[in-house]
Amino acid sequence: GEDVEQSLFLSVREGDSSVINCTYTDSSSTYLYWYKQEPGAGLQLLTYIFSNMDMKQDQRLTVLLNKKDKHLSLRIADTQTGDSAIYFCAESMGYSSASKIIFGSGTRLSIRP
Amino acid sequence: DAGVTQSPTHLIKTRGQQVTLRCSPKSGHDTVSWYQQALGQGPQFIFQYYEEEERQRGNFPDRFSGHQFPNYSSELNVNALLLGDSALYLCASSPDRGLESPLHFGNGTRLTVT
Repeated sequence: GEDVEQSLFLSVREGDSSVINCTYTDSSSTYLYWYKQEPGAGLQLLTYIFSNMDMKQDQRLTVLLNKKDKHLSLRIADTQTGDSAIYFCAESMGYSSASKIIFGSGTRLSIRP
Repeated sequence: DAGVTQSPTHLIKTRGQQVTLRCSPKSGHDTVSWYQQALGQGPQFIFQYYEEEERQRGNFPDRFSGHQFPNYSSELNVNALLLGDSALYLCASSPDRGLESPLHFGNGTRLTVT
């Protein structure tokens, strides 16, 4: 089946690390993505990982993939107020970049001063 | 380099009416996908167009239809609007080939059905 699940809310203190978790059901997923959505805006691709990798780091962002448990996480180091947004985990259902993508319901990240 | 552009940005329609939303893909992209994002939800896949044909379709009724033009731009049409069609409609483009070129999304059209 096609399902992606995320917790709805996360609150962290400014300067701390944020970890957003996601589980997916389709073991044939090829790519897994993290998108960011700010109020009134579309989706911004943050990072993605191919399913044969277990980690990818890009500046403050670290993605960890546990394929056995179908668990994906996004770690944001040194969280800033500008990181406040909704973060969507998503899986690709094919081998092309144009393949259909299944999204989770999003995790709303809020930053405490 | 213009990204994905959508028009209009906001639209208000009455139940039973028809609506057309438009999308211009990012330069160099030939595949267009449409997603519906209801309030508080993640985007749901409607369909995808490539070479002016519908290539994949999600679980949406036939009231949702689309078109792709030779210049790769696309339209989404929704007939007999229902209150539940109120949502943010997102267009995304990508090149058909290339595993390292994920979807690029526009800012969406906010449709309100009253």
